[in-house]
Amino acid sequence: AQSVTQLDSHVSVSEGTPVLLRCNYSSSYSPSLFWYVQHPNKGLQLLLKYTSAATLVKGINGFEAEFKKSETSFHLTKPSAHMSDAAEYFCVAAGSSNTGKLIFGQGTTLQVKP
Amino acid sequence: GAVVSQHPSWVICKSGTSVKIECRSLDFQATTMFWYRQFPKQSLMLMATSNEGSKATYEQGVEKDKFLINHASLTLSTLTVTSAHPEDSSFYICSASRPGTGNTIYFGEGSWLTVV
Repeated sequence: AQSVTQLDSHVSVSEGTPVLLRCNYSSSYSPSLFWYVQHPNKGLQLLLKYTSAATLVKGINGFEAEFKKSETSFHLTKPSAHMSDAAEYFCVAAGSSNTGKLIFGQGTTLQVKP
Repeated sequence: GAVVSQHPSWVICKSGTSVKIECRSLDFQATTMFWYRQFPKQSLMLMATSNEGSKATYEQGVEKDKFLINHASLTLSTLTVTSAHPEDSSFYICSASRPGTGNTIYFGEGSWLTVV
């Protein structure tokens, strides 16, 4: 069965320092993977997606993620955190049947300290 | 701009009444939409898959008669919470896959339901 695990429920960084949000997936095939961000009381916004093309994926707002099949990981990074990055982040995998069903990680709350 | 839109963003209703939430795909046709529920500080929980022109597919544990889903057109799905109770208070989010975007799912802005 497919699953997505976000390894940290809460990450705290200082403004201007790097961000690393970790995600591991379990799948019997090469999945489509996404990172979404959710600000308080808002819907989910797509940051980036991996769909078996380049393993290093660049997204919006300076975020990027690298798909590592050997490690079954898709960690999200950003070189320098901004206060506006404080939000909830979800690592998501697309279901195997291409029906649009998604498998969500548990979410990681990113706190950015001034 | 928004690709999937939800309305209303916030709604308060009395216990025992019904409330409808709309989900629209703004510039594309969506044969399938998804409805999620999110409790505070938690991830999204898939409630049902809304299929245009046919019955919705509900996830295990979701009451079909309580959460009525209608996907009457290729751009609109509605979720009606019937006989609402305070425990139905939650954040409801819909999503749809936009054709030609390589399996990318876009989410609505979400709808906060408070049942008093």
